[in-house]
Amino acid sequence: GQNIDQPTEMTATEGAIVQINCTYQTSGFNGLFWYQQHAGEAPTFLSYNVLDGLEEKGRFSSFLSRSKGYSYLLLKELQMKDSASYLCAVTDSNYQLIWGAGTKLIIKP
Amino acid sequence: DAMVIQNPRYQVTQFGKPVTLSCSQTLNHNVMYWYQQKSSQAPKLLFHYYDKDFNNEADTPDNFQSRRPNTSFCFLDIRSPGLGDAAMYLCATSGGGGSTDTQYFGPGTRLTVL
Repeated sequence: GQNIDQPTEMTATEGAIVQINCTYQTSGFNGLFWYQQHAGEAPTFLSYNVLDGLEEKGRFSSFLSRSKGYSYLLLKELQMKDSASYLCAVTDSNYQLIWGAGTKLIIKP
Repeated sequence: DAMVIQNPRYQVTQFGKPVTLSCSQTLNHNVMYWYQQKSSQAPKLLFHYYDKDFNNEADTPDNFQSRRPNTSFCFLDIRSPGLGDAAMYLCATSGGGGSTDTQYFGPGTRLTVL
């Protein structure tokens, strides 16, 4: 079966750094997405990785290791507005997008 | 601004009373998707259109139907809503059809079934 694993919930402090991990077991791999979803709202695109390594975009970075079936999203200089769910999604060999259930990130002052 | 629009944002219906949710896009994307998302769960793909080609997920109940009359619009019809159909319904679009393309989401319609 196809599976995406993420922690259900994480807590971090404003101004700190947090790393949200994602592991996947899919039939093939054609890329990995990270989306941010605030409560009651739609997901918004954050990043896409298809090659191994780190992609940096301002305060957010995403890392991929295809051999380990592993990715992480790194959030720096956390702000209260970063409180949201972060969803990992993987495109498999049939170009189907497999979604994780998301990690709820709680930021405390 | 190019965008994905969903109407209404909140929909309340009675058990068994048909309801239609709408989605429109100004991105001129080929592909449109309908997802169902329940609280703290992953979005679940119901169906998608590549242009006019309709693709139904194997586990999408027959109670859910869709129409795409033109490139810009797509509708989700729930013929006889049950209490278990209460959820957020998300419309998304992508440009090329392969799922390596980024999907862009509308704001969602939250459906309540009484």
